[in-house]
Amino acid sequence: RKEVEQDPGPFNVPEGATVAFNCTYSNSASQSFFWYRQDCRKEPKLLMSVYSSGNEDGRFTAQLNRASQYISLLIRDSKLSDSATYLCVVNRGSYIPTFGRGTSLIVHP
Amino acid sequence: GAGVSQSPSNKVTEKGKDVELRCDPISGHTALYWYRQSLGQGLEFLIYFQGNSAPDKSGLPSDRFSAERTGGSVSTLTIQRTQQEDSAVYLCASSLLGPNEKLFFGSGTQLSVL
Repeated sequence: RKEVEQDPGPFNVPEGATVAFNCTYSNSASQSFFWYRQDCRKEPKLLMSVYSSGNEDGRFTAQLNRASQYISLLIRDSKLSDSATYLCVVNRGSYIPTFGRGTSLIVHP
Repeated sequence: GAGVSQSPSNKVTEKGKDVELRCDPISGHTALYWYRQSLGQGLEFLIYFQGNSAPDKSGLPSDRFSAERTGGSVSTLTIQRTQQEDSAVYLCASSLLGPNEKLFFGSGTQLSVL
């Protein structure tokens, strides 16, 4: 089993839709979690950190479920500009951050 | 600028030649990472530098790959005797203290081995 797994998609949704992605991780000792966004042919950029209590930033909500070992990202009221690949990242203390392969989102008019 | 800077942005080379890729991290960041990303694939970890500690080289795919970080700042990734399978985008990232923090990425070097 891979350390971090994501559904590659693509998720193809209309503008205004709500879409959610999950990311599962295998190591229960994982400590910190992030969502990054990567546009085509660009570098990844931090979208948001994922806290145990969950966190929200505008239309984006991230949640952590330690019991089931997954994190989620919810995007409400999707915009065309949300089209990108969303990477989840899992850290175990001093170990190297592990990236998922990403989930592709396409928002169409 | 204040971001992570990588050069060159594009490199085309012939099979068997050596290449050097440069990364200039954000000033004051102690941690520096090299990843590579092949077309349509995820990020593959290569090497990690943390302060003055010995680097974590566990991700280097072969002994043709090496990297150094001078003075705790600029890093150079060297690929000797390049092969076609080395073609990828090489991404450098830095973070302030270590792996539990957010990473700031450079815009990458697109390496094409003909």
